[in-house]
Amino acid sequence: AQSVTQLDSHVSVSEGTPVLLRCNYSSSYSPSLFWYVQHPNKGLQLLLKYTSAATLVKGINGFEAEFKKSETSFHLTKPSAHMSDAAEYFCVVSDHTTGNQFYFGTGTSLTVIP
Amino acid sequence: KAGVTQTPRYLIKTRGQQVTLSCSPISGHRSVSWYQQTPGQGLQFLFEYFSETQRNKGNFPGRFSGRQFSNSRSEMNVSTLELGDSALYLCASSLIIQGDNEQFFGPGTRLTVL
Repeated sequence: AQSVTQLDSHVSVSEGTPVLLRCNYSSSYSPSLFWYVQHPNKGLQLLLKYTSAATLVKGINGFEAEFKKSETSFHLTKPSAHMSDAAEYFCVVSDHTTGNQFYFGTGTSLTVIP
Repeated sequence: KAGVTQTPRYLIKTRGQQVTLSCSPISGHRSVSWYQQTPGQGLQFLFEYFSETQRNKGNFPGRFSGRQFSNSRSEMNVSTLELGDSALYLCASSLIIQGDNEQFFGPGTRLTVL
């Protein structure tokens, strides 16, 4: 069975400081992992994805994530937070045994303090 | 290339009514998935359609149904609406490339049941 745990429901950082959003996954097979961002009253936008290529994945807007199989983790990082990064972030796991079904984490709300 | 479009963007219905939501996927995408997003339950998978066939279904009552047309456009229907059906309904389309099942999300339909 697949599942995702986002370890923090809220994260608050000052503008210009690093961002770390934590995600642990459970999957019976080789998973695909994604991070999506959702701004208020908007749909979901893909930040980055891991699909069994390089374990360090670079995404849009300076975000990156590292797939660590031994720790079953896929944490999202950014060196320097910007005010526009304030949003809800979702970690997602999927594998081909369940068709195209995405399993979402509960989300992490990121606040950026000026 | 146009993104995923959903209509209508907002709907207000009363208990007991039924509603139909529409989704047009990105051109060339044959997989369409539907998700329900609520503050309490987060993002939950409803169902996935591929080539007009339902491939996968989440844990929702039979009041929730869907279909896909030959042009890959999809509709979902909710009958006998309940207050708890108030949610943001998101549609996502996918190209289904071997090893990469990235989903592209529409802006959602906000359903309010009074």
